[in-house]
Amino acid sequence: DTAVSQTPKYLVTQMGNDKSIKCEQNLGHDTMYWYKQDSKKFLKIMFSYNNKELIINETVPNRFSPKSPDKAHLNLHINSLELGDSAVYFCASSHKHSGTKLGQETQYFGPGTRLLVL
Amino acid sequence: AQSVTQLGSHVSVSEGALVLLRCNYSSSVPPYLFWYVQYPNQGLQLLLKYTSAATLVKGINGFEAEFKKSETSFHLTKPSAHMSDAAEYFCAVSPSVTGGSYIPTFGRGTSLIVHP
Repeated sequence: DTAVSQTPKYLVTQMGNDKSIKCEQNLGHDTMYWYKQDSKKFLKIMFSYNNKELIINETVPNRFSPKSPDKAHLNLHINSLELGDSAVYFCASSHKHSGTKLGQETQYFGPGTRLLVL
Repeated sequence: AQSVTQLGSHVSVSEGALVLLRCNYSSSVPPYLFWYVQYPNQGLQLLLKYTSAATLVKGINGFEAEFKKSETSFHLTKPSAHMSDAAEYFCAVSPSVTGGSYIPTFGRGTSLIVHP
């Protein structure tokens, strides 16, 4: 069973198009994230949702809009795609267990969606 | 603000040699520290983490790391490299404050190359 899954795995599209990436986790976690990894492997957090509510929204263009229909899903919609959006996008999830402190959680990553904008 | 610096974007070792990947952190509060590994075309997975218990942390696949507060370091080691260890390794730090949200900060990664 896949813990954190993303679709599609590859996405090739033209500049100006709108696209969505879907993420699902079956771990029962309460927090989900979107990360962007650039061509130099630098990993940057974009958004974080806890129990369907947005808790972290880093400096990301308004063209990126996350949506969490329920705790197990966090989708990412991108409008008017630009060349600079080409990257690998990772979904991740985590859960704060009782007896642990905030910040100790392990992040579980999906396999990534490789986006190429032409 | 928290940050991590990984010295060396690439580290090359021979199979069977010691692996040492360096990570230094900067944090205004006691940190939690993590090492993640990313195999080609995969997502990141946790190798080990320090959460203020034992300073020497053992992880999966024979890796371990030691938290040294005086040196603000959390270097990753493995006594004997295997070909299968070739991957990208990320050090990460998060604040240990309670309540509110936190943002884990990742280093820029170190690519481990293992030669036969």
